[in-house]
Amino acid sequence: DTAVSQTPKYLVTQMGNDKSIKCEQNLGHDTMYWYKQDSKKFLKIMFSYNNKELIINETVPNRFSPKSPDKAHLNLHINSLELGDSAVYFCASSQGPAGYTFGSGTRLTVV
Amino acid sequence: QKEVEQDPGPLSVPEGAIVSLNCTYSNSAFQYFMWYRQYSRKGPELLMYTYSSGNKEDGRFTAQVDKSSKYISLFIRDSQPSDSATYLCAMSATGTYKYIFGTGTRLKVLA
Repeated sequence: DTAVSQTPKYLVTQMGNDKSIKCEQNLGHDTMYWYKQDSKKFLKIMFSYNNKELIINETVPNRFSPKSPDKAHLNLHINSLELGDSAVYFCASSQGPAGYTFGSGTRLTVV
Repeated sequence: QKEVEQDPGPLSVPEGAIVSLNCTYSNSAFQYFMWYRQYSRKGPELLMYTYSSGNKEDGRFTAQVDKSSKYISLFIRDSQPSDSATYLCAMSATGTYKYIFGTGTRLKVLA
């Protein structure tokens, strides 16, 4: 059973399109996150939800909008995709401060 | 200056060597320290978690935290080719869900 699952694994799309990435965790964790990993492997937090409430909203373009329908799901919608949005997007979850469990990532390529 | 600094490597060692990976940080409020291992095209997986200062050992892995020097280390004993991966340090302050990651050190263990 996959603990944190993301779909799709790969996403290739044209500039200007709108796309969504879905994430689900079956660990019973209260907190979920979206991280972006650039080509140099640097992981940067984008958003975090705790029990469906947005608690972290980093300096991210308004084109990115997270949604958490319940504490087991966190989706990321991206409008008007740009070339610079190409990266690997990781979903993660945690219970308290003892570290995250990451999903396997969604590799987004904007052409 | 970045909050967390980590040498990107690559670091190449022969099989069986002791590996030392390090991070320095600037925020004295950090209390939670983690090491993640990331294989190519996979999500980061939690290796070690330490709260405050001190050492923690788990099998071939030892994590050390020196808060006075703002310096953390991960030692890998009897390194194996399967340890070849990128190692990321991450840290967080009390009361925040946000972990700040280092840029990762790429390790290659040669058979």
